[in-house]
Amino acid sequence: GAVVSQHPSRVICKSGTSVKIECRSLDFQATTMFWYRQFPKQSLMLMATSNEGSKATYEQGVEKDKFLINHASLTLSTLTVTSAHPEDSSFYICSARAGDLHNSPLHFGNGTRLTVT
Amino acid sequence: AQTVTQSQPEMSVQEAETVTLSCTYDTSESDYYLFWYKQPPSRQMILVIRQEAYKQQNATENRFSVNFQKAAKSFSLKISDSQLGDAAMYFCAYSGNQAGTALIFGKGTTLSVSS
Repeated sequence: GAVVSQHPSRVICKSGTSVKIECRSLDFQATTMFWYRQFPKQSLMLMATSNEGSKATYEQGVEKDKFLINHASLTLSTLTVTSAHPEDSSFYICSARAGDLHNSPLHFGNGTRLTVT
Repeated sequence: AQTVTQSQPEMSVQEAETVTLSCTYDTSESDYYLFWYKQPPSRQMILVIRQEAYKQQNATENRFSVNFQKAAKSFSLKISDSQLGDAAMYFCAYSGNQAGTALIFGKGTTLSVSS
C-alpha cells in the first residue's frame, strides 16, 4: 500500500538552530500534504496544508516565518523549524493524500520527535 | 468551522469484552467523511474505520463497527472481543468533501485493556 516516509524520526537540537523535517510519498504523487503537531497525550493539531508548487496555507496561530514549509515536488514536502526554542519541542506528523479527490486515502508518516535543548 | 468532540479522555475494558468510544461533531456540510484512528505507543497513526456521510449503513471492519447517527451528529466506535493489542489512543476525525481538505481530530480517548 501507499507509504509516507518521514525523516528524521528523532532529532535533538540546540536553541536558536534550525531543523528540517522531510515528508516523502514513496509510491504515489501527493499534490497536498498536511503537517500536524502533537503534544504528549494530546490531539493532532493541524499546522498547515502544503501545496505542491505554491505557498502553504497556515492555520490560525501558526507562525509561517517560524515553520517554513516547502513542497517543491509531488513527492516531497519539508517543514523547517527556524530558530528553535524549547517550546517547539513536540511530535510532528505529516500526512499525504494519495490522489486529488477528496475521498482519496490519507496516509501518515511515522512522525518526528523534536527536542530543543 | 467543523469541530470534533470526544468526551471520554480514558476508557477501560477487559479482554473479550465490548467497549464503545463516543464521538460527536459539528458541521454545516451535508457530505463529509468520518474516521477512527488508532495511535499505539509507537505514535503511528493507524486507520481503524471510515464512514461516508451519504451512506446510511454503518461501517464495519472485523471487530470494529460504528454507530453513525447523522441527524444527531454522532459517530461512536464499538470494539468487540477486545484484545490486549487494542490498547491505544483512539482519535475520531472529520474530513470535508473538498479537495485538499485536512482531517480535524478530536482530543482522543485512551483505551486500556486488562486481562
